[in-house]
Amino acid sequence: EDQVTQSPEALRLQEGESSSLNCSYTVSGLRGLFWYRQDPGKGPEFLFTLYSAGEEKEKERLKATLTKKESFLHITAPKPEDSATYLCAGGNTGGFKTIFGAGTRLFVKA
Amino acid sequence: NAGVTQTPKFQVLKTGQSMTLQCAQDMNHEYMSWYRQDPGMGLRLIHYSVGAGITDQGEVPNGYNVSRSTTEDFPLRLLSAAPSQTSVYFCASSRDRVTDTQYFGPGTRLTVL
Repeated sequence: EDQVTQSPEALRLQEGESSSLNCSYTVSGLRGLFWYRQDPGKGPEFLFTLYSAGEEKEKERLKATLTKKESFLHITAPKPEDSATYLCAGGNTGGFKTIFGAGTRLFVKA
Repeated sequence: NAGVTQTPKFQVLKTGQSMTLQCAQDMNHEYMSWYRQDPGMGLRLIHYSVGAGITDQGEVPNGYNVSRSTTEDFPLRLLSAAPSQTSVYFCASSRDRVTDTQYFGPGTRLTVL
């Protein structure tokens, strides 16, 4: 069964304290691994798509990486405005389905 | 462009009532989806559409109905609301495939009493 698991459920950081969010996946025929950001009371907002193991993408303080079993979202020197829930999702080639993880809630304190 | 819009933003229903959640997009995307989001769980796919006149079931379709008469609109109907349908509902659209980058609406928070 296709599955995406994110850890930790919640992460509290001090401003400037770098860390990583983990996304483990088992998705048959993975078409793409997606990262989204979701602010409270809003819809998810696209961040990155990774297509093959070894691929990396960066945006400001965020860098996403992909292996054959996991993806990591690295946050370098976070700021309070990075506080949000980060969602990981795997696109299933055969099933017209995107499987979402439950998300990691990130809190960055000034 | 407004992107993906959803109405209403909040709704309270009594058990057994029916209602329609509206979703519209102005990006000319062929693919549209409805998800529900519950605490501690990932977004779960309810129904999706690959173009006007074509819809299919997702992971949790029971109790919901959809239609797609135009490219822009994809309404979700709750036939007879139940407390288990209390959730936040998101509509999304994508350009190339259902499983490609999705653009989400702001969501509808539904409470069924």
